[in-house]
Amino acid sequence: EAAVTQSPRNKVAVTGGKVTLSCNQTNNHNNMYWYRQDTGHGLRLIHYSYGAGSTEKGDIPDGYKASRPSQENFSLILELATPSQTSVYFCASGDVDWGYEQYFGPGTRLTVL
Amino acid sequence: AEKVIQVWSTASRQEGEELTLDCSYETSQVLYHLFWYKHLLSGEMVFLIRQTSSSTAKERSGRYSVVFQKSLKSISLIISALQPDDSGKYFCALWEPNNYAQGLTFGLGTRVSVFP
Repeated sequence: EAAVTQSPRNKVAVTGGKVTLSCNQTNNHNNMYWYRQDTGHGLRLIHYSYGAGSTEKGDIPDGYKASRPSQENFSLILELATPSQTSVYFCASGDVDWGYEQYFGPGTRLTVL
Repeated sequence: AEKVIQVWSTASRQEGEELTLDCSYETSQVLYHLFWYKHLLSGEMVFLIRQTSSSTAKERSGRYSVVFQKSLKSISLIISALQPDDSGKYFCALWEPNNYAQGLTFGLGTRVSVFP
């Protein structure tokens, strides 16, 4: 079964601090995604990746960077965290061969004070 | 304009009843996929069912089924024999090939409460 894990599950950060959210998948999927979920919005795509070494901007990339050092790992980096980045962040993986479904991690709740 | 619209933000039913969740979408693509996901209270986002635009089959997975009205750009998720564990937030999502790796476009979700 698909397995996507995220760490940390909860994080409290200070404004201006650096935050790194990590995601690991054991599905051998080529594509990985970072979304955020906020009240009044569905999940919105921040960054995505086609494979190791690639990162692409999604719909709301401002204030975020991403890193895909390997097939399994995809990180979301907030260099200078702001309170507006308080949200729940989901990582997902998916592949054409898997019928386009995306498999999600359990989410990370980030609070920026 | 929103591409995926879930009109009802909340829905509640009693255990054993059936619930229909509606979703409408916008796309200019001929081939696309629609998904339903459930967001559990634990935080987990669970894939429920997929509908491919080219398929006329009535998709079904356990107690979940869909009614796909392609000409109306509408898809409904039907949950039969509701159980309290069906409570959660249900999201409709669209995947379009021109956005191959750009992920899914989600609706705002419908929060479902099932009472014993």
